[in-house]
Amino acid sequence: NAGVTQTPKFQVLKTGQSMTLQCAQDMNHNSMYWYRQDPGMGLRLIYYSASEGTTDKGEVPNGYNVSRLNKREFSLRLESAAPSQTSVYFCASGSGTGGTYGYTFGSGTRLTVV
Amino acid sequence: AQSVTQPDIHITVSEGASLELRCNYSYGATPYLFWYVQSPGQGLQLLLKYFSGDTLVQGIKGFEAEFKRSQSSFNLRKPSVHWSDAAEYFCAVGTSGTYKYIFGTGTRLKVLA
Repeated sequence: NAGVTQTPKFQVLKTGQSMTLQCAQDMNHNSMYWYRQDPGMGLRLIYYSASEGTTDKGEVPNGYNVSRLNKREFSLRLESAAPSQTSVYFCASGSGTGGTYGYTFGSGTRLTVV
Repeated sequence: AQSVTQPDIHITVSEGASLELRCNYSYGATPYLFWYVQSPGQGLQLLLKYFSGDTLVQGIKGFEAEFKRSQSSFNLRKPSVHWSDAAEYFCAVGTSGTYKYIFGTGTRLKVLA
């Protein structure tokens, strides 16, 4: 099925541990995005990639790094997890330049940092 | 400053009743406007979008939204709500080529049988 696939779906980390969230899309979209969702705060953009080989910071990039491995894959890395990074993370890909025609979202990764 | 406001955190309606979810925005450029729906434990799904032209846009699942430039609003409506519409709804705004859409904080809809 066409769409955006995220792994893992759930993860518990200890403070200071690292991990990488994986995302892949098969819709041939150029742009991809990582958001975090926290109660009462909507979605906040962490990083985005306008096209293969480029990445840029969003609203809340501190503590994260990203890699656009190829057109399909866009990963998010937490180098040293902190409790403040407990959240639900969503990857999305965008249709049209800058996601003009809207985003397709993955089903999310629920991360808990203890 | 650019922003999106969804004034209602929670809304409860009876099944079969009409629905209107409010969205107000502040944006310097010509806005592109979106509504997304999120069912529990799921990602967001695009309901509809507005770029230009007819200010009343139709979306999936029987939803529609009206763009009112004078009021800086893009309210979502449905004539008759079904129990399966219970979810959280997000309004988002951006502009051509921006890559940085702004999402509202969401409105959680509860449907009473």
